[in-house]
Amino acid sequence: DAGVIQSPRHEVTEMGQEVTLRCKPISGHNSLFWYRQTMMRGLELLIYFNNNVPIDDSGMPEDRFSAKMPNASFSTLKIQPSEPRDSAVYFCASRPKDRLDQPQHFGDGTRLSIL
Amino acid sequence: RKEVEQDPGPFNVPEGATVAFNCTYSNSASQSFFWYRQDCRKEPKLLMSVYSSGNEDGRFTAQLNRASQYISLLIRDSKLSDSATYLCVVSAGVDSWGKLQFGAGTQVVVTP
Repeated sequence: DAGVIQSPRHEVTEMGQEVTLRCKPISGHNSLFWYRQTMMRGLELLIYFNNNVPIDDSGMPEDRFSAKMPNASFSTLKIQPSEPRDSAVYFCASRPKDRLDQPQHFGDGTRLSIL
Repeated sequence: RKEVEQDPGPFNVPEGATVAFNCTYSNSASQSFFWYRQDCRKEPKLLMSVYSSGNEDGRFTAQLNRASQYISLLIRDSKLSDSATYLCVVSAGVDSWGKLQFGAGTQVVVTP
């Protein structure tokens, strides 16, 4: 079975550029989560969706970050303009439909470096 | 105070030995509990769920103490491949829509 698929795996870009990260959740999962992980701050929840609707975006650091989920099989996390402090590993995770007791399944992550 | 607290370690464990560590959580309404493991530069992967009565999965045993709000993980007969960071994960509460709180992780290093 295909797991959570993220792209790109690695992204290196200059500050000020727009960055778009993509995620395809596991088929049938209706909750999707975006996380950021750094050595200093650990794993942080940025935003999550349920049935394609954003439920909680309180973890989004600032207005430069935005996320969308136009359908059940695709989500994007966009940073515009990007800054060096945005460098981190960004994970997408999904969870089975209507099962709050089930764990989340993570994608391989996108390693983002802003120069 | 953090929602989920763990001893960062590292726990240096000789191969074949037993290691155990805990994590504490602050939200008494938490309903679901998990241990994830994360290898260097990889994604977190579910190790096991933690049930109220405690549960085993091979060499791994997890316990939950709701009264004291902590969960534990015990690894028996440690293998070199058990070297990883173990993340304690707790649901944020009944109305949280499945939102999880992650601890910062406990590093385990198994040595030959």
